Amino acid sequence: QVQLVQSGAEVKNPGASVKVSCKASGYSFTTFGIAWVRQAPGQGLEWMGWITPSNGNTNYTEKFQGRVTMTTDTSTSTAYMELRSLRSDDTAVFYCARDLPGLPVAFTYWGQGTLVTVSS
Amino acid sequence: EIVLTQSPATLSLSPGERATLSCRASQSVSSSYLAWYQQKPGQAPRLLIYGASTRATGIPDRFSGSGSGTDFTLTIRRLEPEDFAVYYCQQYGTSPRTFGQGTKLEIK
Repeated sequence: QVQLVQSGAEVKNPGASVKVSCKASGYSFTTFGIAWVRQAPGQGLEWMGWITPSNGNTNYTEKFQGRVTMTTDTSTSTAYMELRSLRSDDTAVFYCARDLPGLPVAFTYWGQGTLVTVSS
Repeated sequence: EIVLTQSPATLSLSPGERATLSCRASQSVSSSYLAWYQQKPGQAPRLLIYGASTRATGIPDRFSGSGSGTDFTLTIRRLEPEDFAVYYCQQYGTSPRTFGQGTKLEIK
């Protein structure tokens, strides 16, 4: 069965970077993309962008452009999302979801989420 | 960017009642690429409806979606205790794949 398993919770100081991982299993990793979604405490869902593992192509929303980098390691079927220059308002749960970049698909499969706390 | 506005923000109903949730888009959603998700505290969202009206695998038939263009509705007939949660709509026809701000369905 399809599974996306994310790395554990992180606590970071303001100005630092965080790198969250999302390990996929149960399907061909290079056939689909991975999207990342942020959810601040008590807030809604915010799509950050996607990556296509087969060629490394990325598409970031304007809000995160310049601060986020999405990468993949096809040898381990793992996607990564790095967010830099962290601020207190970056405190959130980050989810990965299976996507199909450039094609219209809803997010059937989600990771369990990774809480990132930014605090001094 | 397509902005999705959900209403109401909070809906207070009792088990057994019917819930009607609205999602309005700032521009037409291409080919009805509109999804609904349910999220419970501490859990990832769960896909309920895609293509505006198609139930995802394993979703009970008390959940139904309708609409096209800019106006979409999620209806839950005969609410069960496990249905009380937050519901989000999402358009996935264009990038960025935007979400609505959510409707909290709470027990009255």
